[in-house]
Amino acid sequence: AQSVSQHNHHVILSEAASLELGCNYSYGGTVNLFWYVQYPGQHLQLLLKYFSGDPLVKGIKGFEAEFIKSKFSFNLRKPSVQWSDTAEYFCAVNPMDTGRRALTFGSGTRLQVQP
Amino acid sequence: DVKVTQSSRYLVKRTGEKVFLECVQDMDHENMFWYRQDPGLGLRLIYFSYDVKMKEKGDIPEGYSVSREKKERFSLILESASTNQTSMYLCASRQGLVSGANVLTFGAGSRLTVL
Repeated sequence: AQSVSQHNHHVILSEAASLELGCNYSYGGTVNLFWYVQYPGQHLQLLLKYFSGDPLVKGIKGFEAEFIKSKFSFNLRKPSVQWSDTAEYFCAVNPMDTGRRALTFGSGTRLQVQP
Repeated sequence: DVKVTQSSRYLVKRTGEKVFLECVQDMDHENMFWYRQDPGLGLRLIYFSYDVKMKEKGDIPEGYSVSREKKERFSLILESASTNQTSMYLCASRQGLVSGANVLTFGAGSRLTVL
């Protein structure tokens, strides 16, 4: 079965620090990749996605992620975090050439940004 | 914007009760999903439906069933609720699996407590 690993469960940063959240997945074929974010008290919402093409994708609020196929990774980055980035972040993978038609999510990373 | 509406934000039920969680989407999406979200476990897929009256088991279907009689509505049923089903339940929908349409929109969630 496919799996998605998020290595950092809880990250605490000060404002203006740089952020990198790791995500690795186990499937070797064609994939769609996603980062979703859940701000306190809000719905899960899409942060960014990779379908094909340029492996460096940009999302909302200054976030970006890089797809490295050889490492089965899709790490999320932001050069300078803000207090408003405090949220839980979920990586998700959808294999595109198997019978699995749904996204598999990682366990999430809770980010706390201190002012 | 797509709207996914979950009818109940908070429910408290007793062990053995039958529980219905309702979800409605308003953008004619083909696919609908039920996930449960638990701390440290991320989102786990219970069931999804790729078309009316069509369903597939996800990773944790035991103790759950689903119904999709109309395209816009996807119901999750707990035939006999148990305390280990206390969780946040998230409904999601998407237009389809082809790249570009493969983006989930989530509802606000239904927090179920089983006593």
